[in-house]
Amino acid sequence: EAQVTQNPRYLITVTGKKLTVTCSQNMNHEYMSWYRQDPGLGLRQIYYSMNVEVTDKGDVPEGYKVSRKEKRNFPLILESPSPNQTSLYFCASRTGQLNTEAFFGQGTRLTVV
Amino acid sequence: GQQLNQSPQSMFIQEGEDVSMNCTSSSIFNTWLWYKQDPGEGPVLLIALYKAGELTSNGRLTAQFGITRKDSFLNISASIPSDVGIYFCAGHRGVQGAQKLVFGQGTRLTINP
Repeated sequence: EAQVTQNPRYLITVTGKKLTVTCSQNMNHEYMSWYRQDPGLGLRQIYYSMNVEVTDKGDVPEGYKVSRKEKRNFPLILESPSPNQTSLYFCASRTGQLNTEAFFGQGTRLTVV
Repeated sequence: GQQLNQSPQSMFIQEGEDVSMNCTSSSIFNTWLWYKQDPGEGPVLLIALYKAGELTSNGRLTAQFGITRKDSFLNISASIPSDVGIYFCAGHRGVQGAQKLVFGQGTRLTINP
């Protein structure tokens, strides 16, 4: 089954404790991205990657890092989480062709206390 | 930043009513996509529009790509309880190698039985 898998689904952590949210897709997609969803703000892009070893900032990259060492994986790293990073996070992937739909993971609800 | 204005932000309707929501932008988009997000899940594609003026249906859903390429609407006819959720518009901007998928703020639909 074609899918995007995120882990964990839920995470509660303390300020400053480094964490990683994993994302994996099995569709051989070139393009992967991370979004955060906050009430009234919709989906805002954090980082994206157009292919292996190619990453770039989205609209709200501050406080986040990513890496793309393999085509299927695109982890999101919070080196020193803060309460304002409490949010619902989605990973998405799509092909590198023009105008293709994005497939989303099920989301990771992160709470930073 | 956010480049799509989606309205309304929320809707409270009776079961059986028709629903209409729209997205506008000051910029031209290559495509318009409509996603639905069920509670606790990631967004799932409902309808994709690829040409200005295009009108597409998917069951009780109908969406149109505005002739100016700066807007789109989604209609749901005869709403049922499983239509509850958040609906997002999205659009592709840019060319190959620099294309970006931008999302609206979402419309939260609540249905009273």
